Amino acid sequence: SQQGEEDPQALSIQEGENATMNCSYKTSINNLQWYRQNSGRGLVHLILIRSNEREKHSGRLRVTLDTSKKSSSLLITASRAADTASYFCATDKVKGGSEKLVFGKGTKLTVNP
Amino acid sequence: DAGITQSPRHKVTETGTPVTLRCHQTENHRYMYWYRQDPGHGLRLIHYSYGVKDTDKGEVSDGYSVSRSKTEDFLLTLESATSSQTSVYFCAISESIVTGRTDTQYFGPGTRLTVL
Repeated sequence: SQQGEEDPQALSIQEGENATMNCSYKTSINNLQWYRQNSGRGLVHLILIRSNEREKHSGRLRVTLDTSKKSSSLLITASRAADTASYFCATDKVKGGSEKLVFGKGTKLTVNP
Repeated sequence: DAGITQSPRHKVTETGTPVTLRCHQTENHRYMYWYRQDPGHGLRLIHYSYGVKDTDKGEVSDGYSVSRSKTEDFLLTLESATSSQTSVYFCAISESIVTGRTDTQYFGPGTRLTVL
């Protein structure tokens, strides 16, 4: 069953705008990760946030985690056409099978030049 | 994709035939995973390995088997391919720094399989 669910399923913005994607999950986690997938390619890791962290930055990426609401958000600032891709959140589980990740269905981001 | 290769990259086969996909890594990572990706379903775990000859089932393991005889190779076999197994298959690897926790996974380029 899906642990993480992204919202929205698709997002279209203009270059220079910010893009925000959300992820909700169901059970307690050790960490939450965000991955990017360009069309026809494998997933690429973007950022990992641990359950005891609330916010993390990496370049133009900002991730927040609210464990009380079981949700996370990924913010891409000053978007570029090259950011066009699908974005996935992935979570592990505190109990049982924590070596495995469960991926959401993804948000498809289109950045128009 | 660095350090992970998948073969073949594309395959078309017929229903009922056996198919083996290969994942090869040069990173000496402990964990290896097979996922399938389908529209509307995202990425789903088929099987994974936590060491040589140590494997376990994932969410959608029916109809698939795996083997890992060497650290660097993880094989996925469809004993008798069906049209429902038409998909894009991704291999991933990870090395858990902290025992029992999963850290970053690194993905291969994928294999597009079509079962007619």
